[in-house]
Amino acid sequence: EVQLVQSGAVVKKPGESLRLSCEGSRYSFNNYWIGWVRHVSGKGLEWMGIMYPGDHDTRYSPSFRGQVTMSVDKTTNTAYLQWTSLKASDTAMYYCARAPRDHGSGLDIWGRGTRVTVSS
Amino acid sequence: QSVLTQPPSVSGAPGQRVAISCTGSSSNIGAGYDVHWYQYLPGTAPKLLIYGNTNRPSGVPDRFSGSRSGISASLVISGLQVEDEADYYCQSYDRSLASSLFGGGTKLAVL
Repeated sequence: EVQLVQSGAVVKKPGESLRLSCEGSRYSFNNYWIGWVRHVSGKGLEWMGIMYPGDHDTRYSPSFRGQVTMSVDKTTNTAYLQWTSLKASDTAMYYCARAPRDHGSGLDIWGRGTRVTVSS
Repeated sequence: QSVLTQPPSVSGAPGQRVAISCTGSSSNIGAGYDVHWYQYLPGTAPKLLIYGNTNRPSGVPDRFSGSRSGISASLVISGLQVEDEADYYCQSYDRSLASSLFGGGTKLAVL
């Protein structure tokens, strides 16, 4: 079964750094885009950005550019989402998802999400 | 206000048909970019229901259908079932933003 397995829930303090992981299995990781989506409780889904592991082509939503960094490690089929200095407003559920194409195909396989809580 | 506008809520009785609209502009849906639809229960993984405006992934019941016309798209759910109660989101690409984006989401209540 094609899967995206995300890292576990975390609790962090404002100002701390964080890196979330998303490991793909049972498909050709390099040939599918990996997108990241945020869900703040009580709000809607937000598109954060998308990355192509094959060539590291990365496209951020304007709302998240400069706030987070997406990366991949092709040797371990793992995508990452990281922050250098968390804010309380980063508290949310974060999902990674696979896309056959950048914007013409939809996100067909999703991870179960990682809950991030940022609190002093 | 979302770039892709959805009604905040819709409702219907079991067995009925509901439609959820997603209205954009000439910068996104009207420019010909595909629309995709997701079903979401907070805390669980979203599920792709419709991709490329009208296509259902394998395993999605044919009660779910999608269409696109002009600057809008619609998701139609026929034969409503209690388990359809969830949040529904459209997604497309906006060339002004140079990014994909989601609509604001629609909560479906099955009464």
